[in-house]
Amino acid sequence: DTEVTQTPKHLVMGMTNKKSLKCEQHMGHRAMYWYKQKAKKPPELMFVYSYEKLSINESVPSRFSPECPNSSLLNLHLHALQPEDSALYLCASSPRTSGIIGELFFGEGSRLTVL
Amino acid sequence: GQQVMQIPQYQHVQEGEDFTTYCNSSTTLSNIQWYKQRPGGHPVFLIQLVKSGEVKKQKRLTFQFGEAKKNSSLHITATQTTDVGTYFCADLTGTASKLTFGTGTRLQVTL
Repeated sequence: DTEVTQTPKHLVMGMTNKKSLKCEQHMGHRAMYWYKQKAKKPPELMFVYSYEKLSINESVPSRFSPECPNSSLLNLHLHALQPEDSALYLCASSPRTSGIIGELFFGEGSRLTVL
Repeated sequence: GQQVMQIPQYQHVQEGEDFTTYCNSSTTLSNIQWYKQRPGGHPVFLIQLVKSGEVKKQKRLTFQFGEAKKNSSLHITATQTTDVGTYFCADLTGTASKLTFGTGTRLQVTL
């Protein structure tokens, strides 16, 4: 079991749809992350939030829009996605926001399929 | 950008055999974390190495950080079927909070 909860576990959407992925943690962590993982590849960093502010955006296309409403929640809003965006989207959190940040706690992921 | 390479990409062993994966970088690493991802699962933290030449053990797993901090290794003694999965090293270098994963080594263990 993981202490980072992601919903939904699976999502199928068309290219014109708008959907959101949600992530929640109650460990008091102040850094939260979105990673994208394609099959047989390593996770790739997309966004980092530090104290609810966006601190890193890895040149992610604007069809992905992150949001951090509070210290426990992280959303990823999806709009006008492409089939190549199909992947496993992983949320993670860490105890510290800088320096040696400590381990990342990952959620189980949301598997996204774009038709 | 910096890419952390792992070798081998894939290894298939019989249960009881040893296994080693290597993580190599062309630049100095700040600190290394290791994660395991089971098939269909999510990455799970194993360990963090910070100091040059550091060696840490967890039961059958031995982790090393190179003296020059440009490489790291994970060695599993007497593999078990529960060791199946992909092992990633991950480097925290440069921008704070940016953890970059290596290419990964997929381990298959059969009886």
